Amino acid sequence: DADVTQTPRNRITKTGKRIMLECSQTKGHDRMYWYRQDPGLGLQLIYYSFDVKDINKGEISDGYSVSRQAQAKFSLSLESAIPNQTALYFCATSTSGGGNEQFFGPGTRLTVL
Amino acid sequence: DQQVKQNSPSLSVQEGRISILNCDYTNSMFDYFLWYKKYPAEGPTFLISISSIKDKNEDGRFTVFLNKSAKHLSLHIVPSQPGDSAVYFCAASASNYQLIWGAGTKLIIKP
Repeated sequence: DADVTQTPRNRITKTGKRIMLECSQTKGHDRMYWYRQDPGLGLQLIYYSFDVKDINKGEISDGYSVSRQAQAKFSLSLESAIPNQTALYFCATSTSGGGNEQFFGPGTRLTVL
Repeated sequence: DQQVKQNSPSLSVQEGRISILNCDYTNSMFDYFLWYKKYPAEGPTFLISISSIKDKNEDGRFTVFLNKSAKHLSLHIVPSQPGDSAVYFCAASASNYQLIWGAGTKLIIKP
């Protein structure tokens, strides 16, 4: 079983729709992250959470919101999707110790028409 | 402003030879560097890392070298195998939580 799972894996939606991407982990990690990847670019941090009550904006949080429902669950919402939010979205987890190796889910490919 | 740069979008190497992937950075506050490997339709997977207090870290076929004066790191894969064909990302951290990522280099291992 995968340690970090993301649902859905693929989603096509229309401009203006509300979309939620979900992430679950069984690694027992405190920290969770949401990234987006655009073609030819590295991963950009959208939001991160150090624990259930600690949520922080990343580099590109505009147009996104998150919810940390439990230690194991971290969801990303697009309140009103727009075409330039078409991208690959990754959830990741890490421990709170040093090193900061992050463990990634398989990604969600989102297309906004 | 790209703080982490991987200037080669792709690299082709013969099976059995050495693959060398390069990464440059601009922020002298980075204190930890990581390499990730990504196959299509999968998330990135951690490969190897190095702290800024070291200049080399080795793990099996993978070695990462850090040259702080040049703000440059490289990943060496010896010998290269077909399963090494993937996109390799360099990432750097200055704060123990946020990773700044390069754009990736697609490595193709030729038989």
